[in-house]
Amino acid sequence: GAVVSQHPSRVICKSGTSVKIECRSLDFQATTMFWYRQFPKQSLMLMATSNEGSKATYEQGVEKDKFLINHASLTLSTLTVTSAHPEDSSFYICSARGGQTNQPQHFGDGTRLSIL
Amino acid sequence: AQSVTQLGSHVSVSEGALVLLRCNYSSSVPPYLFWYVQYPNQGLQLLLKYTSAATLVKGINGFEAEFKKSETSFHLTKPSAHMSDAAEYFCAVSDQGFKTIFGAGTRLFVKA
Repeated sequence: GAVVSQHPSRVICKSGTSVKIECRSLDFQATTMFWYRQFPKQSLMLMATSNEGSKATYEQGVEKDKFLINHASLTLSTLTVTSAHPEDSSFYICSARGGQTNQPQHFGDGTRLSIL
Repeated sequence: AQSVTQLGSHVSVSEGALVLLRCNYSSSVPPYLFWYVQYPNQGLQLLLKYTSAATLVKGINGFEAEFKKSETSFHLTKPSAHMSDAAEYFCAVSDQGFKTIFGAGTRLFVKA
């Protein structure tokens, strides 16, 4: 089955640090990748959608200068949380979808980000 | 616009009992529907999907769901719960476009 690898699984860093999270589709070409944020005991909140080679489309209320998304190839997307602060602490999950829009999204295992 | 409602944020069943997790959707076009499972500190794993073929969809781990257009429902069932089924379950709807909307999730507890 389709596999999406997300790295790192956990990050603990000081306030003001920028953190990069990678999302890779290992056995399929991901034409579209999605980045979500999940708060404890809540559902997934879509942050942005990116297509390979294009600028990401951010959801309302998500700061694009704060959360930089790059989708440089059909197998790799990155999310960089710039100048992270404690309120950015959360569980970030990426997903990828290839081909037709009736295909399901395949999810990475998430990154637990903790800003001290 | 699409939306999905999962009835019951928590469901508790005994091991061996029927599992029923409810999902109702709203979509202006024929929807694609999905059920995902999430274990603690992990991403989401696809259980099954409906994309306008058979209305009764069978998934992994013994789960199945039935698409009922008249009721705008896509409830998830499993005849006999196992302890390993304890997790968070998300119903999702896509309008055949780019976005998928997720429900709020239902946490399934399985009692021994």
